[in-house]
Amino acid sequence: EIVLTQSPGTLSLSPGERATLSCRATQSVTSSYLDWYQHKPGQAPRLLIYGASTRATGIPDRFSGSGSGTDFTLTISRLEPEDFAVYYCHLYGDHLTFGGGTKVEIK
Amino acid sequence: EVQLVESGGGVVQPGGSLRLSCEASGFSISTYSLNWVRQAPGKGLEWISYISGPSTTINYADSVKGRFTISRDNAKNSLYLQMNSLTAEDTAVYFCSRVVAGPGWWYGMDVWGQGTTVTVSS
Repeated sequence: EIVLTQSPGTLSLSPGERATLSCRATQSVTSSYLDWYQHKPGQAPRLLIYGASTRATGIPDRFSGSGSGTDFTLTISRLEPEDFAVYYCHLYGDHLTFGGGTKVEIK
Repeated sequence: EVQLVESGGGVVQPGGSLRLSCEASGFSISTYSLNWVRQAPGKGLEWISYISGPSTTINYADSVKGRFTISRDNAKNSLYLQMNSLTAEDTAVYFCSRVVAGPGWWYGMDVWGQGTTVTVSS
């Protein structure tokens, strides 16, 4: 079973700063099956990136995804106030798997 | 508007059962696979079950296998989750989500409901 580990657990940043979130798999995965979600308390999760690097419909271009093999990255180029949330990487397979999440909080 | 709305959550005693529903509007679920995902208090997202469009493929997380049953009624545009033998560890917000995928390709879970809360407590 593939496990996704996200780091850091919490990222404390100010609006306007760059956020770099990591997702590491325990073995090499198909990048086309790796996606990223944003989740705010009391709201539905939101698909940001699929196929490791393709932005979902309506997602601003300050969000970008990259990576392959076992290491993937979500980058938010300049944090907006509405970007403070928890971010999850996710892998599709026989058993869908989420990473543990990275909380991006206001510094 | 494309939307998923969950219902059926509540408070149930350990060992009890509950049936969750997820009603879709703005699109037909018949051509989509669907998931249930949950979030326990203070924890992250946990996938628990997947069902393909024609119900030919059904998968469960080990944590719920043998206790939960996913099903769908395409005519009613609805997804269900029958939960039996509930324990305190099943206390969570339960979300349904739409999958955009096909043989050999995956475009993610693009539509989610707001969730329904299940509390297992005596």
